[in-house]
Amino acid sequence: DARVTQTPRHKVTEMGQEVTMRCQPILGHNTVFWYRQTMMQGLELLAYFRNRAPLDDSGMPKDRFSAEMPDATLATLKIQPSEPRDSAVYFCASGLGPGNTIYFGEGSWLTVV
Amino acid sequence: KQEVTQIPAALSVPEGENLVLNCSFTDSAIYNLQWFRQDPGKGLTSLLLIQSSQREQTSGRLNASLDKSSGRSTLYIAASQPGDSATYLCAAFSGNTPLVFGKGTRLSVIA
Repeated sequence: DARVTQTPRHKVTEMGQEVTMRCQPILGHNTVFWYRQTMMQGLELLAYFRNRAPLDDSGMPKDRFSAEMPDATLATLKIQPSEPRDSAVYFCASGLGPGNTIYFGEGSWLTVV
Repeated sequence: KQEVTQIPAALSVPEGENLVLNCSFTDSAIYNLQWFRQDPGKGLTSLLLIQSSQREQTSGRLNASLDKSSGRSTLYIAASQPGDSATYLCAAFSGNTPLVFGKGTRLSVIA
């Protein structure tokens, strides 16, 4: 059963620490998304890759966030330094490109204290 | 810039009732619209995808319609069950702009 896999599922960290979240997209999918979900803002797009190339990261605070795809099977989202306002659920999703369904992972629940 | 709105934010219905969830979008030049379901503590599960050339899609007790000219989509759930309780989100895809999500409708079906 193909699925998007995210690690860690839960993370509690202190303000100022570096946080790295990882995502394994569904094999063969060429499009990867990072979304952040909060009660106030809902789902916000942070970054978007196609064929490992970043297409849109305009929603990501550049001073502390970075997103990469070292290879087709791994996407990473890094926060350095983390702040309490970064507390949210971070979702990775993958798909086969425009016009196709996208599939979400179970999310990484981040709490920054 | 595409904006997606879902009304109501929350809905509670008795079991067995047919119901309609609403989604509106500001940019009618969409390629497709997707409906998702999210259970508490879980990721999103895709329910239906409607291409811009389609008027509706059906899956079991679910029927989604799309009216591009008015910027609206509806998700119809027939004979609702307690297991349908979840948050339902719609998302619009416009060309190279990734999916833009509404904030969802939280549905409770009471047995």
